[in-house]
Amino acid sequence: QKEVEQDPGPLSVPEGAIVSLNCTYSNSAFQYFMWYRQYSRKGPELLMYTYSSGNKEDGRFTAQVDKSSKYISLFIRDSQPSDSATYLCAMDGYNFNKFYFGSGTKLNVKP
Amino acid sequence: DSGVTQTPKHLITATGQRVTLRCSPRSGDLSVYWYQQSLDQGLQFLIQYYNGEERAKGNILERFSAQQFPDLHSELNLSSLELGDSALYFCASSVATGELFFGEGSRLTVL
Repeated sequence: QKEVEQDPGPLSVPEGAIVSLNCTYSNSAFQYFMWYRQYSRKGPELLMYTYSSGNKEDGRFTAQVDKSSKYISLFIRDSQPSDSATYLCAMDGYNFNKFYFGSGTKLNVKP
Repeated sequence: DSGVTQTPKHLITATGQRVTLRCSPRSGDLSVYWYQQSLDQGLQFLIQYYNGEERAKGNILERFSAQQFPDLHSELNLSSLELGDSALYFCASSVATGELFFGEGSRLTVL
């Protein structure tokens, strides 16, 4: 079983839609949770960073962590064609040794 | 711009050869991480260094080695290259807070 599971998609939505991206994990020691956006052939860009359970909002993006269910989500409101990219979840425990990544969900926002 | 610099951006070489990839972390970041990303694959953790010392190892092949120098830049050495080593190699750096910042990657093609 992988440490982090993420639906690879692709996910295709119309412009303006609300997008929900999700990851599940198996290691209860994970405390730090991140979402990255990766455009084709570019380096991953940090979007959201959260610690432990709860919600965090930044503009059109909201990250949710439910540690009891080992489930994290990223919501994108009013999605734009420029949001078309691969979204990677990542997480780690206290040691920041490895950072476990999901395989990424490819999102396509159609104009 | 994440502040992490990787060179070279592109590299084409032949099987059996050896290459060195270089990474300069963000100013002040002591940790450097190396990841491999094959086509349509997630990020595979290779190795982490913290202030010159190896901190964690992932699925790094014995043909691969890395080091971090006193000025905190890092090099990833890949030897006896095989076709399957063709991939994007990313370097990331972080402070102790757990936020990883990635470079733009080095694209290696082995022919």
